[in-house]
Amino acid sequence: LAKTTQPISMDSYEGQEVNITCSHNNIATNDYITWYQQFPSQGPRFIIQGYKTKVTNEVASLFIPADRKSSTLSLPRVSLSDTAVYYCLVEAGGGNKLTFGTGTQLKVEL
Amino acid sequence: GAVVSQHPSWVICKSGTSVKIECRSLDFQATTMFWYRQFPKQSLMLMATSNEGSKATYEQGVEKDKFLINHASLTLSTLTVTSAHPEDSSFYICSATSGTSGNDEQYFGPGTRLTVT
Repeated sequence: LAKTTQPISMDSYEGQEVNITCSHNNIATNDYITWYQQFPSQGPRFIIQGYKTKVTNEVASLFIPADRKSSTLSLPRVSLSDTAVYYCLVEAGGGNKLTFGTGTQLKVEL
Repeated sequence: GAVVSQHPSWVICKSGTSVKIECRSLDFQATTMFWYRQFPKQSLMLMATSNEGSKATYEQGVEKDKFLINHASLTLSTLTVTSAHPEDSSFYICSATSGTSGNDEQYFGPGTRLTVT
């Protein structure tokens, strides 16, 4: 079963746009892609969810190509408080198996 | 938004004892609850899925006799780690949804840090 993979870490500066990708080759046909933010010793917090093309809310955008085998979370103008681990979540491989991505540690500096 | 609580937030227990973790949906009815385990610097791993009034469905490799899950009401699920050992030390997180599909938004609890000595 292929893992849902993400880059281990990313560094950025305040005010920049950050794009984090997630590879999910085994995504189920009817499954949505959800992204979460997690701070140390806390539960994940919902950021955005989408099925295809592009979704935008007040905090982020989510880009999903036609084949849906990957997705990109875009955070506009990050700040220090966006330093966290970001996870994608998909239902991959059939059998209703929810799979979190490997997680990306985003570090934002001044 | 929907709120999910966990109790306790942290617990230390001796090897061989059992510990119960509660997960509550405070302002909605949770038809489905999920239990995850997270080791340091690692991703969340789904342990089991429970629907109210039904037996939990455990993921491969998770011992159902060791990790007892009860989802007796629409607002409460419990995870009991029986005969705990140091390797069970981890961060346990529950989530709840009012739907029945993995696509329904999951509301996560704050997590419970378990340390087994």
